[in-house]
Amino acid sequence: AQSVTQPDIHITVSEGASLELRCNYSYGATPYLFWYVQSPGQGLQLLLKYFSGDTLVQGIKGFEAEFKRSQSSFNLRKPSVHWSDAAEYFCAVGAGNTDKLIFGTGTRLQVFP
Amino acid sequence: DAGVIQSPRHEVTEMGQEVTLRCKPISGHDYLFWYRQTMMRGLELLIYFNNNVPIDDSGMPEDRFSAKMPNASFSTLKIQPSEPRDSAVYFCASSSWDRGHEQYFGPGTRLTVT
Repeated sequence: AQSVTQPDIHITVSEGASLELRCNYSYGATPYLFWYVQSPGQGLQLLLKYFSGDTLVQGIKGFEAEFKRSQSSFNLRKPSVHWSDAAEYFCAVGAGNTDKLIFGTGTRLQVFP
Repeated sequence: DAGVIQSPRHEVTEMGQEVTLRCKPISGHDYLFWYRQTMMRGLELLIYFNNNVPIDDSGMPEDRFSAKMPNASFSTLKIQPSEPRDSAVYFCASSSWDRGHEQYFGPGTRLTVT
């Protein structure tokens, strides 16, 4: 069965610092991979997605993620964090044999000025 | 595109009352998903539809919960009778078969049952 692990529940960074949020998945074939962001009181917004092809994908708001098959990972990165990036981030995996997405438990990002 | 629309945005009700949450998916999308989010349990998939037909309702907590999709542009999630433990944020999301599993979420309905 598919699963997603986000090992970091809470991360704190200073504004301007680089960011990497970790995501590991379990699935036998190449999955569809997503990162969503949820600001307080809001719904989930799609940041970026990986279906196939180039393993480094660019998303909105200056985020990028890299699919590494050998490590079963899809980590989210941003070179310089802004205070407005403070939010909860969810990694999700989908697969060809199901219509559902499996979400991780989320990582809460706090940004200090 | 207006995105996924949910109503009401906030609902406060007393235990034992019936609650109906509403969702309008993005036009042209053929999948619709209902999720519940709480601090304790995180984001849970309750039920999803494909072409208005329920496909998987294994996440529906109990018989007090029911969901319908009478047409491609409208779905409801009903709780009857409501209980305080149903307090949560309920999200609706939609997607299209030709966009893989990319789901678009509504703003959510915050339900408080007193």
